[in-house]
Amino acid sequence: LAKTTQPISMDSYEGQEVNITCSHNNIATNDYITWYQQFPSQGPRFIIQGYKTKVTNEVASLFIPADRKSSTLSLPRVSLSDTAVYYCLVGDYTGGFKTIFGAGTRLFVKA
Amino acid sequence: GAVVSQHPSWVICKSGTSVKIECRSLDFQATTMFWYRQFPKQSLMLMATSNEGSKATYEQGVEKDKFLINHASLTLSTLTVTSAHPEDSSFYICSARGYGSKTDTQYFGPGTRLTVL
Repeated sequence: LAKTTQPISMDSYEGQEVNITCSHNNIATNDYITWYQQFPSQGPRFIIQGYKTKVTNEVASLFIPADRKSSTLSLPRVSLSDTAVYYCLVGDYTGGFKTIFGAGTRLFVKA
Repeated sequence: GAVVSQHPSWVICKSGTSVKIECRSLDFQATTMFWYRQFPKQSLMLMATSNEGSKATYEQGVEKDKFLINHASLTLSTLTVTSAHPEDSSFYICSARGYGSKTDTQYFGPGTRLTVL
């Protein structure tokens, strides 16, 4: 299983764009990169998933360079409600799948 | 779509009793369900993986006789904490992986807070 490394915490202000980078040097060919958001006392919520290049949805963008050894979650114009822990996961989804969570990044958005 | 529910959302029990937590995928069939445990200020720890109709696969260090997992259908998995003790107090979260999903994304339940007195 590929190990992921993220910054432990980040601070931002409302309205700013936040970029959280995750390193996954041992990513395998079949691995996808998935980001989840978790609020206290809640289950993680799926944000975005990608394999390579760029993926965008209504809440975030995911940038993945050609070597796929890292990825960056981009949150446009964050608000106070985006204060949460963000987890980057890398996993083989083709059978024998399981997910190991890293420490995650605690994002604190200030007014 | 892709909603996972858990019941109960919280439970308080006496030491030595057993507690059952249900995890349901409400709008999709889940071939695989996962159970996690999370202590305060910590990340999620995978406890076990269960496939419908098969025995669960437990992670190293997780007692299979203490944490009984049943995955009897494509929409329901249960975790029973047997003879619970105060150290079992934690936040238990399940997730489900959709059957036939192209990317097999996991969807998580809201969690169950277990407090053992």
